[in-house]
Amino acid sequence: SQTIHQWPATLVQPVGSPLSLECTVEGTSNPNLYWYRQAAGRGLQLLFYSVGIGQISSEVPQNLSASRPQDRQFILSSKKLLLSDSGFYLCAWSVALGVGDTQYFGPGTRLTVL
Amino acid sequence: AQKVTQAQTEISVVEKEDVTLDCVYETRDTTYYLFWYKQPPSGELVFLIRRNSFDEQNEISGRYSWNFQKSTSSFNFTITASQVVDSAVYFCALSEANTGFQKLVFGTGTRLLVSP
Repeated sequence: SQTIHQWPATLVQPVGSPLSLECTVEGTSNPNLYWYRQAAGRGLQLLFYSVGIGQISSEVPQNLSASRPQDRQFILSSKKLLLSDSGFYLCAWSVALGVGDTQYFGPGTRLTVL
Repeated sequence: AQKVTQAQTEISVVEKEDVTLDCVYETRDTTYYLFWYKQPPSGELVFLIRRNSFDEQNEISGRYSWNFQKSTSSFNFTITASQVVDSAVYFCALSEANTGFQKLVFGTGTRLLVSP
């Protein structure tokens, strides 16, 4: 069966520090991968998606970047964090059907920028 | 543009009550998919159901049921005999079928509080 991991689970970082959040998927090959952010008390906003190694699309211009160095690994990064980067970051995967795929989410990383 | 509206921000019920969570969507696509997810206090989104636009049959899974009505662009979710463990935020989502990949548009969620 497929599982998705995210780490760290929680993170407190000062403004201006770098960020690296990691997501890995097990039990499937060539998945579509996604990064979402959920601000406190709000819905989910798609940040990045990837349909293959090295292929990243950004949905929202921002202070963050994403990379996919391996088939089942998705990394969210920042060179300098802003206060507004605080939130709950969720990684998701889906079978690459193109339309109507169900997305399955990881446990999330709660990021607080002080 | 696609849009999902969950007008109920928070609902409070007492255990064993039935509760319906509303979801209204907007899309110009003729082929689309609708989803419900549950987000318990731990934060992880748990997939509940996926429904395509050509299947208007209602679905029942245990205490959960879904009512899909294209005529009113609604995909409502009912929990029968609610339990404390049902307390969570529930999200309705709509897929965009015209972008070549799966993009979900989420509603803002409904927080359900079930008290004993």
